[in-house]
Amino acid sequence: DGGITQSPKYLFRKEGQNVTLSCEQNLNHDAMYWYRQDPGQGLRLIYYSQIVNDFQKGDIAEGYSVSREKKESFPLTVTSAQKNPTAFYLCASSLGAGGNQPQHFGDGTRLSIL
Amino acid sequence: QQQVKQSPQSLIVQKGGISIINCAYENTAFDYFPWYQQFPGKGPALLIAIRPDVSEKKEGRFTISFNKSAKQFSLHIMDSQPGDSATYFCAASGHGSSNTGKLIFGQGTTLQVKP
Repeated sequence: DGGITQSPKYLFRKEGQNVTLSCEQNLNHDAMYWYRQDPGQGLRLIYYSQIVNDFQKGDIAEGYSVSREKKESFPLTVTSAQKNPTAFYLCASSLGAGGNQPQHFGDGTRLSIL
Repeated sequence: QQQVKQSPQSLIVQKGGISIINCAYENTAFDYFPWYQQFPGKGPALLIAIRPDVSEKKEGRFTISFNKSAKQFSLHIMDSQPGDSATYFCAASGHGSSNTGKLIFGQGTTLQVKP
């Protein structure tokens, strides 16, 4: 079954700690995205990657970093510089990066502060 | 100009009724308008999408109406069922260097369908 796998489902971060959220897709999609979802708000784009070894900042990239070394993987690191990291993080992918491409989402990782 | 405004924030409908959610946008470069459905603890799933060359698209009980001149689009859920209770997001994307591949989401509408 093709899809997007995010892990872990729940994650806790201590003060001053970096944490990494995993996102893997077996859809053979070129483009991948990370979104942050807060209660009562829409999804906000953190980073996106149109192709391997390339990525761009989204609307709220501060305090986050990504890498795209393999087509199927797009991990997100929440650094200690992100002062309000508690949120639901969603990874998505699409066949291509142009507009009009449907994005498929994983089931998210919920990050909380200890 | 990159915003998509969605209303209402929450909606309660009786079983069998019609649920209507509205969205408005400003950026005339937008040319793809999907709707996503999200259940608690899950990622959003694509429900239905429309392009501005048509005014209406229907898939089963779900219909998108699109008004290009008013820059508005809406989702209608006919014969609403308790299983439709979820959060619905409209979104928009378009071409151009600042838009490529980026979906702009509305704030979401929490729908509750009462039995």
